[in-house]
Amino acid sequence: QVQLQESGPGLVKPSQTLSLTCTVSGGSVSSGGFYWSWIRQHPGKGLEWIGYIYYSGNTYYNPSLKSRVTMSVDTSKNHFSLKLSSVTAADTAVYYCARDYRMDVWGQGTTVTVSS
Amino acid sequence: DIQMTQSPSSLSASVGDRVTITCQASQDISNYLNWYQQKPGKAPKLLIYDASNLETGVPSRFSGSGSGTDFTFTISTLQPEDIATYYCQQYDNLPFTFGPGTKVDIK
Repeated sequence: QVQLQESGPGLVKPSQTLSLTCTVSGGSVSSGGFYWSWIRQHPGKGLEWIGYIYYSGNTYYNPSLKSRVTMSVDTSKNHFSLKLSSVTAADTAVYYCARDYRMDVWGQGTTVTVSS
Repeated sequence: DIQMTQSPSSLSASVGDRVTITCQASQDISNYLNWYQQKPGKAPKLLIYDASNLETGVPSRFSGSGSGTDFTFTISTLQPEDIATYYCQQYDNLPFTFGPGTKVDIK
């Protein structure tokens, strides 16, 4: 079955760009007509949907983060990526990737801390 | 954005109890609602999709109902392994939004 795995630096300095990748295994990022989402969870808080990308490259970003978010997909590597620019301590969170509207498959999550 | 509210924010119940959580959307979302379970340190897990459909492999003690703006999630017989936080999420309108969560523990 399809599995997702996030990867990327666990520590990012303020004002820099957070970059994460979600690798898809057991399936293809370009099959099934799925949208691929990023979600984050601040420490001890609820879930915030960041946005999604389709395998064709079409994206939708949450307006609350739109000015700082870029998502991309690499079908040859079977992964999709998130970049969040100009980070501050408020971007410290666990970042998850998930499949589609139904979010029926999730990665295990990766903790990103923004600190100098 | 569509605002999602949940009640209660937390509850304590005994093993074997029936547990009910409500979720309300700020506008009509038809049945475009999912329910997730999140245990500490783990990713959320989809339990119910399209308001009332049980995800494959999820025990039948979990159920969901509702449409429009008002939804209900029920655990018919609470088990110790159900200790978790439960979230509703709408996908009728972009951006997708989650409820604030309901923390369930054992009395």
